[in-house]
Amino acid sequence: GENVEQHPSTLSVQEGDSAVIKCTYSDSASNYFPWYKQELGKGPQLIIDIRSNVGEKKDQRIAVTLNKTAKHFSLHITETQPEDSAVYFCAASWDSNYQLIWGAGTKLIIKP
Amino acid sequence: SAVISQKPSRDICQRGTSLTIQCQVDSQVTMMFWYRQQPGQSLTLIATANQGSEATYESGFVIDKFPISRPNLTFSTLTVSNMSPEDSSIYLCSARLRNEKLFFGSGTQLSVL
Repeated sequence: GENVEQHPSTLSVQEGDSAVIKCTYSDSASNYFPWYKQELGKGPQLIIDIRSNVGEKKDQRIAVTLNKTAKHFSLHITETQPEDSAVYFCAASWDSNYQLIWGAGTKLIIKP
Repeated sequence: SAVISQKPSRDICQRGTSLTIQCQVDSQVTMMFWYRQQPGQSLTLIATANQGSEATYESGFVIDKFPISRPNLTFSTLTVSNMSPEDSSIYLCSARLRNEKLFFGSGTQLSVL
């Protein structure tokens, strides 16, 4: 079955710098890749998603890139701010209507 | 997006008792799910809540332990039965909307003594 690996498990960056979190997936049939942000004591919040017919998608300071050949996708956060500190999860499925397979999560720490 | 109201937000329960968690969605919903999240861990799918029929459980989860109801499109409950300390976790309700995106409630933090 599908497996999603996420790296790093913890990422510490200086405020204002960029952060990149990477995920790899095993099932080449996967075609939907969302990213979620989870703050302490809250449920995961969908921040951006991408489908396999698109190589990159941006929303203000966040972007997701997808490399179907290498089977990996990445979350990019530019100009990081203290409120970006959270745990980020990637996920994959072979259709947005099917079960998501989750990465292990990345704890992002923004240093002031 | 959607507002998913989940309650209680937290509870401390005694071993052997049961707790029912409620989830209400304010938007058009196609599917509802229940997840468990251990501290510092990723999300584990417990089951898909099916409207008007038995839920579909994932491997390792059974109806006797985690009975689920979904009497209408936008409301579901999860009961954690005969609790033990190993059931201490965060339980999350989620809903897939007609735009196919998946949203989550704020979670229920359960501690079993």
